[in-house]
Amino acid sequence: QVQLVQSGAEVKKPGASVKVSCKASGYTFTGHYIHWVRQAPGQGLEWMGRINPNSGATNYAQKFQGRVTMTRDTSISTAYMELSRLTFDDTAVYYCARDRGDADYWDSWGQGTLVTVSS
Amino acid sequence: DIVMTQSPDSLAVSLGERATIYCKSSQSLLSSSSNKNSLAWYQQKPGQPPKLLTYWASTRESGVPDRFSGGGSGTDFTLTISNLQAEDVAVYYCQQYYSIPPITFGQGTRLEIK
Repeated sequence: QVQLVQSGAEVKKPGASVKVSCKASGYTFTGHYIHWVRQAPGQGLEWMGRINPNSGATNYAQKFQGRVTMTRDTSISTAYMELSRLTFDDTAVYYCARDRGDADYWDSWGQGTLVTVSS
Repeated sequence: DIVMTQSPDSLAVSLGERATIYCKSSQSLLSSSSNKNSLAWYQQKPGQPPKLLTYWASTRESGVPDRFSGGGSGTDFTLTISNLQAEDVAVYYCQQYYSIPPITFGQGTRLEIK
């Protein structure tokens, strides 16, 4: 079955960078976009961007342009999201999600990775 | 950016009754070429990732109980939960995928048992 498994929780200092991984299994990795969505404590969902695992092409939300980098390694069916210049406001659970293939809605999600920014 | 607005922010409904959540978009989500509305609904329970309920506004995801139904077109959409069960307590989000980037969500509606 389709599964997305994310890396573990991280604690970072302000100004640092964090890189979260999302390992896919149970389907053809290159056939579906991977999206990244974050959720601050007690808040709603916020879309960060997506990557086409086949071509490596990315689209980022304007808010994160210049600070986020999404990459993939097709040899191990893993997508990555790196966020730099962290601030306290970046404390959140970060999710990866797979699109259905015909449009940008998501039928499978990772378990989430808590990133805490603390001095 | 397309702004998605849900109402109400929270809702308390008795077991066995019906709950209706509304979602309004700042521009039409209806594609003239496909005649489909690019709107999805998700359910999120505490400590869990969101779960897809419906897409294309009214297509129920496989395995989702038929108590959940999505409706609407253009800029106005609904998620209706009939015969409310205790396990339906959650936060519900609408999401547009008509215009990307960015994908945008409603602010969420918290559903509780009365």
